[in-house]
Amino acid sequence: DGGITQSPKYLFRKEGQNVTLSCEQNLNHDAMYWYRQDPGQGLRLIYYSQIVNDFQKGDIAEGYSVSREKKESFPLTVTSAQKNPTAFYLCASSIQLDLYGYTFGSGTRLTVV
Amino acid sequence: EDKVVQSPLSLVVHEGDTVTLNCSYEVTNFRSLLWYKQEKKAPTFLFMLTSSGIEKKSGRLSSILDKKELFSILNITATQTGDSAIYLCAVFNYGQNFVFGPGTRLSALP
Repeated sequence: DGGITQSPKYLFRKEGQNVTLSCEQNLNHDAMYWYRQDPGQGLRLIYYSQIVNDFQKGDIAEGYSVSREKKESFPLTVTSAQKNPTAFYLCASSIQLDLYGYTFGSGTRLTVV
Repeated sequence: EDKVVQSPLSLVVHEGDTVTLNCSYEVTNFRSLLWYKQEKKAPTFLFMLTSSGIEKKSGRLSSILDKKELFSILNITATQTGDSAIYLCAVFNYGQNFVFGPGTRLSALP
């Protein structure tokens, strides 16, 4: 079955450490997205990529970095510069966003300890 | 600035009740509106609305869009405990991405 796989499901990080969240899709979608979800705030866009080797900042990109070396993969690195990284992170992909919306992964819950 | 507001933010009902969730928006160049259901982790697609006044239905769920008054409602009839979830509304602004509302957390008690 096609879908989006995020790993790990739960991640604990010490302050000052970088950590990378994995997102892989086998849907053959060109576009991929990273969202952050905090209670009461809805989903906020961190980064997105419309095509391999290209990506754009979303609304809250500071303290995060991404790469898109393969169509199937869009990893997100949470750097030590992110001041409040504890959150639920959702990866999504789309074949044509305005017509079909997103397909979401199951998310990674990151906790800084 | 584009904005999506959902109300109520949380709601507790009993099985069998009818529920109406609201989503209002302010975007500069509206294209479409999405409703998602998020039970535990991954949001799952419910409806995409692009035209005013055309109701979309899926089982006990239905939704309608009013582009003049800039809002959408999601109705759930004969609520079941399995309807307990966060319901997300998102609006697509031409040339941008979707803007999400904060979600409505629905708890359906037996």
